[in-house]
Amino acid sequence: DSGVTQTPKHLITATGQRVTLRCSPRSGDLSVYWYQQSLDQGLQFLIQYYNGEERAKGNILERFSAQQFPDLHSELNLSSLELGDSALYFCASSVSWGKAMNTEAFFGQGTRLTVV
Amino acid sequence: AQKITQTQPGMFVQEKEAVTLDCTYDTSDQSYGLFWYKQPSSGEMIFLIYQGSYDEQNATEGRYSLNFQKARKSANLVISASQLGDSAMYFCAMRVGSGNTGKLIFGQGTTLQVKP
Repeated sequence: DSGVTQTPKHLITATGQRVTLRCSPRSGDLSVYWYQQSLDQGLQFLIQYYNGEERAKGNILERFSAQQFPDLHSELNLSSLELGDSALYFCASSVSWGKAMNTEAFFGQGTRLTVV
Repeated sequence: AQKITQTQPGMFVQEKEAVTLDCTYDTSDQSYGLFWYKQPSSGEMIFLIYQGSYDEQNATEGRYSLNFQKARKSANLVISASQLGDSAMYFCAMRVGSGNTGKLIFGQGTTLQVKP
């Protein structure tokens, strides 16, 4: 068990709908990262939050948004869903990397989103 | 550009034998970290091993070792005494960023199948 909790584990929804994925990081971890894993694109970095602030942005669509709350849990909101958004969405957390390059990111078990 | 390349889409190995999974990276940063993750069919991402760019010794974690050749920009994973449970997708990743901003960049992965 990595200590990172993602809910729900599976989600099936229709095109055009909006969903929210939730992530609770490991106790003490201030950074949260969201990744999308699809068959054709591999693991794509979406966004990073550190202690409530957005710190890095990757290939995140405008239809997607995220936030990190004061209790450090994070939510990824996906709207106007398309068939191509079907993927495994991972949340990861880490302590502040700072100069500690050897701090690994611990991954949750992922949310498998299927858009029909 | 910062990039991770895994050139072996699929590998087979006989049980109890050793196997090497290739990974090359590209970065202009002097300080970086290299990671290997295992993703079994159940989907979770499991951290295996880490190598820092300033580490002179190759990292080892049980049956896993990382063959780090900095001049060649390679960070190959060696699994000794393969077990059936090692059958999974393996990802090489590089940590980029600084301070509290960062992300992991992943390669496309290598599927390893261990034969009994």
